[in-house]
Amino acid sequence: DADVTQTPRNRITKTGKRIMLECSQTKGHDRMYWYRQDPGLGLRLIYYSFDVKDINKGEISDGYSVSRQAQAKFSLSLESAIPNQTALYFCATSLGLAGNEQFFGPGTRLTVL
Amino acid sequence: AQSVSQHNHHVILSEAASLELGCNYSYGGTVNLFWYVQYPGQHLQLLLKYFSGDPLVKGIKGFEAEFIKSKFSFNLRKPSVQWSDTAEYFCAVKTGGGNKLTFGTGTQLKVEL
Repeated sequence: DADVTQTPRNRITKTGKRIMLECSQTKGHDRMYWYRQDPGLGLRLIYYSFDVKDINKGEISDGYSVSRQAQAKFSLSLESAIPNQTALYFCATSLGLAGNEQFFGPGTRLTVL
Repeated sequence: AQSVSQHNHHVILSEAASLELGCNYSYGGTVNLFWYVQYPGQHLQLLLKYFSGDPLVKGIKGFEAEFIKSKFSFNLRKPSVQWSDTAEYFCAVKTGGGNKLTFGTGTQLKVEL
């Protein structure tokens, strides 16, 4: 069973389109994160949420927005997609105790033409 | 802000060779350290983590890492690699009270038969 799921797994879209990537978790974790992965750059944090009413920008939040609809759901939106947002996007979760590891979803490969 | 450096971007080894991947971080305070692995087409999985105590930590699949505070390093080692270890390896650092991770840029390991 997948504890952290992401939909869609692959998406091709055009410049200017609005895109939403969804993340759901059944781990009961309170903290959720969105990262993007680019070749040679590793993972960079876009947004994170420590609970439903807490949303924080990461290091590369420009051009993105998020919504924490429930403890188990954290969505990432690209309001107007551009080609340099082509990347692999990962959602992650963790339990809000010191030092706990993050658990990652399977990723969404997004291509913006 | 903290940063994480992985100096080996691509490593090619023959089966049974020994592996050491470098990881250095820049932060003078208390850190939690992680190594994640990403097998081809899969999501990130935790290999091992260091919080406190014995600086030599053992993880899954025969991997270990040593935290050397004076060198700000957390190098990953394995005495004898297997073809199935072919993957990308990421070092990550957590500082402070939050759960935000800073990732290195990753090391692509290819193990040849």
